[in-house]
Amino acid sequence: DAGVIQSPRHEVTEMGQEVTLRCKPISGHNSLFWYRQTMMRGLELLIYFNNNVPIDDSGMPEDRFSAKMPNASFSTLKIQPSEPRDSAVYFCASQTGENEKLFFGSGTQLSVL
Amino acid sequence: QKEVEQNSGPLSVPEGAIASLNCTYSDRGSQSFFWYRQYSGKSPELIMFIYSNGDKEDGRFTAQLNKASQYVSLLIRDSQPSDSATYLCAVRPSGTYKYIFGTGTRLKVLA
Repeated sequence: DAGVIQSPRHEVTEMGQEVTLRCKPISGHNSLFWYRQTMMRGLELLIYFNNNVPIDDSGMPEDRFSAKMPNASFSTLKIQPSEPRDSAVYFCASQTGENEKLFFGSGTQLSVL
Repeated sequence: QKEVEQNSGPLSVPEGAIASLNCTYSDRGSQSFFWYRQYSGKSPELIMFIYSNGDKEDGRFTAQLNKASQYVSLLIRDSQPSDSATYLCAVRPSGTYKYIFGTGTRLKVLA
């Protein structure tokens, strides 16, 4: 089992550019979470999918952020246009419906200059 | 008031001592409580979960839950330098799928 796979590991971009983060959850997991981590605010839940359907996106900061899950094995988080305050580590996590353990990916370190 | 609060630390303890990490939460109806460990530059990994009042032990780790006082703690016995990390408390309020994380306590175990 390869675990939750995120790409890229690091992304450096300039303000105003579009950024797309990718996530492949563990096979068989039916829940997927996108979190953002900063020193000041810790881990913040951005959006939650269950069976590929977005259940709650109330944590998405603003309309510049969007997320999709076209199938059970792939999800994207897009920021357009990006701003320096979006700089953070973005984690994807998946979970089965049978227990509450979250399996986190390695994260994407995003730097917006 | 934050939903889940932790002292940011750092908490420094000598090798072999007991490290005590604390967390308070605001939603009295919360049912599930978790401790994650996060090494610098790595992703969080679950080390303990607890649902009922009292203590739950797993090796050198003990989670303690007091719902009346709305706090959960983690004790690490015989602390090792390899335990040096940030420990995140997470709470799942009842009736939700959300996991609310504290900002974490940084633990340093001094050799």
